[in-house]
Amino acid sequence: GESVGLHLPTLSVQEGDNSIINCAYSNSASDYFIWYKQESGKGPQFIIDIRSNMDKRQGQRVTVLLNKTVKHLSLQIAATQPGDSAVYFCAPMDKSYQKVTFGIGTKLQVIP
Amino acid sequence: DTAVSQTPKYLVTQMGNDKSIKCEQNLGHDTMYWYKQDSKKFLKIMFSYNNKELIINETVPNRFSPKSPDKAHLNLHINSLELGDSAVYFCASSQEPFGTGRIPDTGELFFGEGSRLTVL
Repeated sequence: GESVGLHLPTLSVQEGDNSIINCAYSNSASDYFIWYKQESGKGPQFIIDIRSNMDKRQGQRVTVLLNKTVKHLSLQIAATQPGDSAVYFCAPMDKSYQKVTFGIGTKLQVIP
Repeated sequence: DTAVSQTPKYLVTQMGNDKSIKCEQNLGHDTMYWYKQDSKKFLKIMFSYNNKELIINETVPNRFSPKSPDKAHLNLHINSLELGDSAVYFCASSQEPFGTGRIPDTGELFFGEGSRLTVL
């Protein structure tokens, strides 16, 4: 249903610093994880994905770490830039691969 | 050249009215979706269609009726609009369908820019 009572977590980071955005998931059957970025006024955009047989994956300036033991993943952004300001969503999928379900999201604010 | 385009971008209407949002993708994808995003940025899937066939109907009131005339189009019609329908509606497409039991090569969805619906 609706996200009544929930607040969007916000992370403020100085430009040039590294950012770490965390995501906890509850379903131990989650098998595949995707990160999306949503800039203001736009639709979500795919950033990077990782499968459960990996614990780390790197892209351009981004790294995703997966810890299946504690059901946690993080998105690390190196040398954060103003253009990184957005809401970031993690989207775990279980082995049924039925649908892409988005988590609550974290708002990243980059301070120039 | 927009990959997933939806119209209108903004829609303001009175309670009880009927309205439609249109979506088109030029990516050649077989699967399209509607998502609803509320004011807290919570993004929830509503429907998915694969090659004009309904795959997912995520417990959405039957006032919402998706229609896919062909695999490049997925429109959303909403009857008897209510205040709680106010949200941003996103259309998306993917290269391959989910929910077939096959592991997808990618979970990447391509989203449109959204249609902000305000019900007064």
